[in-house]
Amino acid sequence: NAGVTQTPKFQVLKTGQSMTLQCAQDMNHNSMYWYRQDPGMGLRLIYYSASEGTTDKGEVPNGYNVSRLNKREFSLRLESAAPSQTSVYFCASSEVGRGGDTQYFGPGTRLTVL
Amino acid sequence: TQLLEQSPQFLSIQEGENLTVYCNSSSVFSSLQWYRQEPGEGPVLLVTVVTGGEVKKLKRLTFQFGDARKDSSLHITAAQPGDTGLYLCAGRGEYGNKLVFGAGTILRVKS
Repeated sequence: NAGVTQTPKFQVLKTGQSMTLQCAQDMNHNSMYWYRQDPGMGLRLIYYSASEGTTDKGEVPNGYNVSRLNKREFSLRLESAAPSQTSVYFCASSEVGRGGDTQYFGPGTRLTVL
Repeated sequence: TQLLEQSPQFLSIQEGENLTVYCNSSSVFSSLQWYRQEPGEGPVLLVTVVTGGEVKKLKRLTFQFGDARKDSSLHITAAQPGDTGLYLCAGRGEYGNKLVFGAGTILRVKS
C-alpha cells in the first residue's frame, strides 16, 4: 500500500495564480483532511471530509476550496494565491479506533507564493 | 477554541540524556495523541492516550495523560540521535472529531 500520496511535492506560484493540490489514499478510509503547517504554529485544519460527498470547514478555510472526488481522492484548490498561503500542506486520512481517529499523513506539498 | 501549548519549543541535548516534553491546555480532551515528524515528511502517530492518568510506554518513550485530561507529557530516556525530529501533541475535544495540534517541540540529539 502507498498510504497517502500528494502531488506535487513542490510548487512556486505568483500572486493571483490558481492551482489544485491532489491527494489520494488507498487505505479505504472514510475521512480525509487538509492541513497547513507554518513555523511555530503546528498543523491547522483547512477543510475535512467525514465521508464521500461531504466536506466541512476547519479552522482556516478562507482562500481555499475542496472537492471530495470519490472515496480515495480529496483535492484542495487555491483560486487566487496570496503570499500568506505560503506553507507546507498536508493531506491526511483516518480510520476510527479507540479514542477516535488515527490519522495517516502524506509527505506534504511545499508551496511558495511570490 | 481549544488550544494546546507545548514546551519547550526547542530542545538540544547530548546522546544519553533524558528529556520531557509537555503539552498543556485549559480544555478537557477525550483523547490525546503524540506524533513524530521528520524533515520532509508527514507526522507519524506514536501513541494515543484516552483515560485520565493513563501511562503508555513505547521502548524508551513514556507518555502520560493528566488525571484531568487537560495535559500530557512525553518522556524520553537515554535519547539517541535517531530520536531527532519534531514532536507534536494533538487533542480531540469531548464533542468533536477534529484534532487540535500543538505548535510542536523540535528535538535535536547530538552524538
